[in-house]
Amino acid sequence: DTEVTQTPKHLVMGMTNKKSLKCEQHMGHRAMYWYKQKAKKPPELMFVYSYEKLSINESVPSRFSPECPNSSLLNLHLHALQPEDSALYLCASSGHGAYGEQYFGPGTRLTVT
Amino acid sequence: KQEVTQIPAALSVPEGENLVLNCSFTDSAIYNLQWFRQDPGKGLTSLLLIQSSQREQTSGRLNASLDKSSGRSTLYIAASQPGDSATYLCAAVYGSSNTGKLIFGQGTTLQVKP
Repeated sequence: DTEVTQTPKHLVMGMTNKKSLKCEQHMGHRAMYWYKQKAKKPPELMFVYSYEKLSINESVPSRFSPECPNSSLLNLHLHALQPEDSALYLCASSGHGAYGEQYFGPGTRLTVT
Repeated sequence: KQEVTQIPAALSVPEGENLVLNCSFTDSAIYNLQWFRQDPGKGLTSLLLIQSSQREQTSGRLNASLDKSSGRSTLYIAASQPGDSATYLCAAVYGSSNTGKLIFGQGTTLQVKP
């Protein structure tokens, strides 16, 4: 099973709201990733967790707060977002760091109003 | 700076044609090269992973090659079908043994006409 699941599929939130995106995998992968993808652009890396510890933060604004509660779960907490943060948020995981194939979830379509 | 370029940006072919998508990367110190397919509004589906020590990988009608020294990869699609219509992304994989950092190209949007 190479499935990465993400919830919710769609999210609409106001600029003062607090919401969370969730990602789950059961492949035993120890690296998990958050990407942001704007329309007609490739995904851009936001965060990487390795063995449940944050290893890469690509200078993402603090209104995005990642969390890795355990080896199967990855959350992205959202607060005080801007309309330009509207995008498709993708989660991925890999089994052997840079040597392993990355598997992506279906994404959460976020709209900030 | 690590950059990945894909040519062409868009491609339209009649059904049954064989076609080649091109990908080039500036930093040859890659771990892997990974090809993905993305349908509109959907996530990425991994098609092929080529390890840096490999020259090519095959899966069904797909064949991907890698020339690390020249910084190039190609994705060959044989006997194209309308269901192949999608955006194809290549990603050069950097990082470490614990984490992989993907640098994506801009993608090639393929349309296969019946």
